[in-house]
Amino acid sequence: EVQLVESGGGLVKPGGSLRLSCAVSEFTFSNAWMSWVRQAPGKGLEWVGRIKSKTDGGTTDYAAPVKGRFTISRDDSKNTLYLQMTSLKTEDTAVYYCTTKNRILDAFDIWGQGTMVTVSS
Amino acid sequence: DIQMTQSPSSLSASVGDRVTITCRASQSISRYLNWYQQKPRKALKLLIYAASSLQIGVPSRFSGSGSGTDFTLTISSLQPEDFATYYCQQSYTMPWTFGQGTKVEIK
Repeated sequence: EVQLVESGGGLVKPGGSLRLSCAVSEFTFSNAWMSWVRQAPGKGLEWVGRIKSKTDGGTTDYAAPVKGRFTISRDDSKNTLYLQMTSLKTEDTAVYYCTTKNRILDAFDIWGQGTMVTVSS
Repeated sequence: DIQMTQSPSSLSASVGDRVTITCRASQSISRYLNWYQQKPRKALKLLIYAASSLQIGVPSRFSGSGSGTDFTLTISSLQPEDFATYYCQQSYTMPWTFGQGTKVEIK
């Protein structure tokens, strides 16, 4: 069974940095286009950003609220996706999910359980 | 950005009821519309893709319809395991955006 397991969440002060990881198993990670989606407490889902597979260029795209502050990367040798977050703001407080974008279905078909990030002084 | 608006925000229903959730896009998105189910402490689950295609393993009581700007998710006979929050999402153009969610509660 395909598994996505996020880690690295925690409490960080405004202006601080944090790196999230998403370990992927039972899946051809290197071919996958991966995204991060977040959910603030009691709120809906917000797409954060996407990284293509290296064979498709490995390029990234970001939502406007995080562009310039967040960086998505991948290590295909470790089957791991990363989200480097800098200049964190209180409004970045959320559960962060990694997910695969199935290019045939054009939908997010596999999700992790999420990791909580709290930005507070 | 394309805004996705779901209605209602919440509803109460009984087991066996037919439930319909609507999703409206702020501009035409053809059929680039997906539906997800979220339960506490569970990974999000893709139910419907491309407006009306049932994801593998999803019960046939779930169905989707619509195109352009107006879409619906229907549960033909609500089961106890269907009490959850449902989200629509457009995959027409980035940034990919979600509706605000519809919470289906037990009456």
